[in-house]
Amino acid sequence: AQSVTQLDSQVPVFEEAPVELRCNYSSSVSVYLFWYVQYPNQGLQLLLKYLSGSTLVESINGFEAEFNKSQTSFHLRKPSVHISDTAEYFCAVQGGGSYIPTFGRGTSLIVHP
Amino acid sequence: KAGVTQTPRYLIKTRGQQVTLSCSPISGHRSVSWYQQTPGQGLQFLFEYFSETQRNKGNFPGRFSGRQFSNSRSEMNVSTLELGDSALYLCASSLAGGDEQFFGPGTRLTVL
Repeated sequence: AQSVTQLDSQVPVFEEAPVELRCNYSSSVSVYLFWYVQYPNQGLQLLLKYLSGSTLVESINGFEAEFNKSQTSFHLRKPSVHISDTAEYFCAVQGGGSYIPTFGRGTSLIVHP
Repeated sequence: KAGVTQTPRYLIKTRGQQVTLSCSPISGHRSVSWYQQTPGQGLQFLFEYFSETQRNKGNFPGRFSGRQFSNSRSEMNVSTLELGDSALYLCASSLAGGDEQFFGPGTRLTVL
């Protein structure tokens, strides 16, 4: 069975500051890893994904995440956040032949001016 | 391409009633999954349909059911509603399952 732990339920940060949202997973097989973002009153949107290859993956809006197999982590980072990054962020893991990702509980990123 | 659409967006029901939610996937997507999202439990997987067959099922009671039509559109039904069924119900589609999921905006169900 797979599980995902997002260690912080809420992360407050000031605009233009760096941020890291933490995600750890447990799985006995090779995995795919995802970060999704959910803005208020909307569904989830894929931010970035790791399937194979380079362990550092980037999104078009400045976020990046690094797959660390030894630490079973897939932390999300951004060097400088904007007010518009305020949203709920979900980490998800999928693997072992399952078609269904397992989601973490989510981290609420709150960017203050 | 149009995204995943869900109807209705908001719904208010009373205990004991039943409800049907609808999801239209992205054109060409054959896999449709349903999730329940609540503040306390996060995102919980309900079931997944592929080519009109339920392929995966989460750990929900039999009051929760679904189906998929030949055009890949899907419906989920909740019978004998309970207060605890109040949640955001999200539908997600993908080409064949196991790949990137595209989510709809959700249906906000309130049970009074």
